[in-house]
Amino acid sequence: QITLKESGPTVVRPTQTLTLTCTFSGFSLSTNGLGVGWIRQPPGKALEWLALVYWDDDKRYNPSLKSRLSITKDTSTNQVVLTMSNVDPVDTATYYCASAFIDFDLFTGYYRYYFSFWGQGTLVTVSS
Amino acid sequence: IVLTQSPGTLSLSPGERATLSCRASQSIDNRFLSWFQQKPGQAPRLLIYGTSNRATGVPDRFSGSGSGTDFTLTISSLEPDDFAMFYCQHYDKPPYTFGQGTKLEIK
Repeated sequence: QITLKESGPTVVRPTQTLTLTCTFSGFSLSTNGLGVGWIRQPPGKALEWLALVYWDDDKRYNPSLKSRLSITKDTSTNQVVLTMSNVDPVDTATYYCASAFIDFDLFTGYYRYYFSFWGQGTLVTVSS
Repeated sequence: IVLTQSPGTLSLSPGERATLSCRASQSIDNRFLSWFQQKPGQAPRLLIYGTSNRATGVPDRFSGSGSGTDFTLTISSLEPDDFAMFYCQHYDKPPYTFGQGTKLEIK
């Protein structure tokens, strides 16, 4: 059974760095074809993908936030950490982590990763 | 890639058929598109990946179709538990964007 859980501060001051931890079970991030990503959702708004780390430590970031984000994995503790620097009130949102599974197209040979299981999310408020 | 979902709100009754649309601003190659259901206060739940593959445990009244720039989620006969927010998302190339959502409400 795959589970994920986000943890971190509930309130962060503007200009500070936000550090969020995703602790997961039911899979290993050293397994070929797996990844963990972060997605956020401002109150009452749509979802926004932030970052993704793959089993081989390859990483992808949303270009609009890339300069402020860092994602790392620790396979020994089954954790993925997201840091976001210089936060602003517009970064107030529920932050989710999600497992990513490989989707391999047998006809073309292309593959990508889709988000499958999600954590419950953690609400982070940026306010002075 | 910008994903535009329509309609914004869909009002239907249990037992009716629901058709939700997701249009991409450019072609999504290799059908790398997912659909999620989200209920208030809950995390999104994966329904469909790869345009038409149902996730584990998803009832067969949910189906996905489409290609290129036009994708559809169909719920063949609505159950009371189906009413929620639905999002499409592509995972072809970064950034992996989501649509703005379609709210499916009880008429």
